[in-house]
Amino acid sequence: DVKVTQSSRYLVKRTGEKVFLECVQDMDHENMFWYRQDPGLGLRLIYFSYDVKMKEKGDIPEGYSVSREKKERFSLILESASTNQTSMYLCASSLGLGLNSYEQYFGPGTRLTVT
Amino acid sequence: LAKTTQPISMDSYEGQEVNITCSHNNIATNDYITWYQQFPSQGPRFIIQGYKTKVTNEVASLFIPADRKSSTLSLPRVSLSDTAVYYCLVGAQNQAGTALIFGKGTTLSVSS
Repeated sequence: DVKVTQSSRYLVKRTGEKVFLECVQDMDHENMFWYRQDPGLGLRLIYFSYDVKMKEKGDIPEGYSVSREKKERFSLILESASTNQTSMYLCASSLGLGLNSYEQYFGPGTRLTVT
Repeated sequence: LAKTTQPISMDSYEGQEVNITCSHNNIATNDYITWYQQFPSQGPRFIIQGYKTKVTNEVASLFIPADRKSSTLSLPRVSLSDTAVYYCLVGAQNQAGTALIFGKGTTLSVSS
């Protein structure tokens, strides 16, 4: 079974702090994704990566950055956390090419609260 | 990426067949149609994908008409455990892999 793990289920941070959210997948997937999910807005893509050290902006990259130094690990960084970044953050991975690339495997999510 | 439109919510009873229709008028030639399911406090889970006509697996069926401007996810004989949010997505592979855009989804409520 594909496993996508996220470093924390719940996180509380203060405004202005630098926040790291870590995601690890164990299936040698090329693609990795970071989403945020908010009530009434659905899932929105923040960033994704299709290879080590490669990244692409999603719909809402402002206020976020990412890092992918190893194939299995994709980190989301909030340089200076703000209250409007309070949300559920979901990481996902998928194979790089072929029809299987449409099947994304999601982690359990990290509920981040910024106070 | 093509924009999708689907109903915000649907209600059903146990044992009924549920059809959720998604419109994607500007679907491109290379786009595939994919559906995901999400339970509360969990990440979405892949259900089914297709390009044209009909696709069936152990969970659902996907009907795609010839013009591909819409698609219908069919859930046979739903149970209470099918209560979830269902997302319709369209997208194609490119050099940067396959990025899918999730919308707001359809919240399906199944009652006994």
